[in-house]
Amino acid sequence: DGGITQSPKYLFRKEGQNVTLSCEQNLNHDAMYWYRQDPGQGLRLIYYSQIVNDFQKGDIAEGYSVSREKKESFPLTVTSAQKNPTAFYLCASSKGGQGIAYEQYFGPGTRLTVT
Amino acid sequence: AQSVTQLGSHVSVSEGALVLLRCNYSSSVPPYLFWYVQYPNQGLQLLLKYTTGATLVKGINGFEAEFKKSETSFHLTKPSAHMSDAAEYFCAVTRSWTGANNLFFGTGTRLTVIP
Repeated sequence: DGGITQSPKYLFRKEGQNVTLSCEQNLNHDAMYWYRQDPGQGLRLIYYSQIVNDFQKGDIAEGYSVSREKKESFPLTVTSAQKNPTAFYLCASSKGGQGIAYEQYFGPGTRLTVT
Repeated sequence: AQSVTQLGSHVSVSEGALVLLRCNYSSSVPPYLFWYVQYPNQGLQLLLKYTTGATLVKGINGFEAEFKKSETSFHLTKPSAHMSDAAEYFCAVTRSWTGANNLFFGTGTRLTVIP
């Protein structure tokens, strides 16, 4: 079955540690996205990538980093510089192309807790 | 600039009653509009989308939405609520036609269905 996988489902880290969240898709989509979800705030865009080896900052990129070395993979690193990292993180993908808003397909999410 | 406003962060309906979730958008370009549903601790699933053409859009699980340009609205409705409809619902709008295939999400409406 085609889809998006995120691992792990739950992640616990100590403050000051970097942590990497995995996102893999087998939908052959060009574009991938990372969102952060906090109660009452909806989804906020962290980073997005339209093509391999290229990515752009979203609305709340500070304290995060990404890479896009393969079409299928778009890992997100939450660095120690992120002041409030505890949140639910969602990865999504879509077909590419400007001028057309393809729907985004979402993974199941990773809940990160930093203490 | 594009934005989405979802009126009512919480909506409660009785089982069998009409479901109406409100979404108003602001867009400087012809909008593409989406409704997504999220069940607890899961990713988002597309309910329906409006791109061009017919303004009444039918989606999955008996939901539909009507694009009203004059009112800048895209409200989601379902004639008869079912217990399984209890979830959080997000409205989204395209950010740009010239940039990346990005969506701007509303803050969500949590639907409770009372037996």
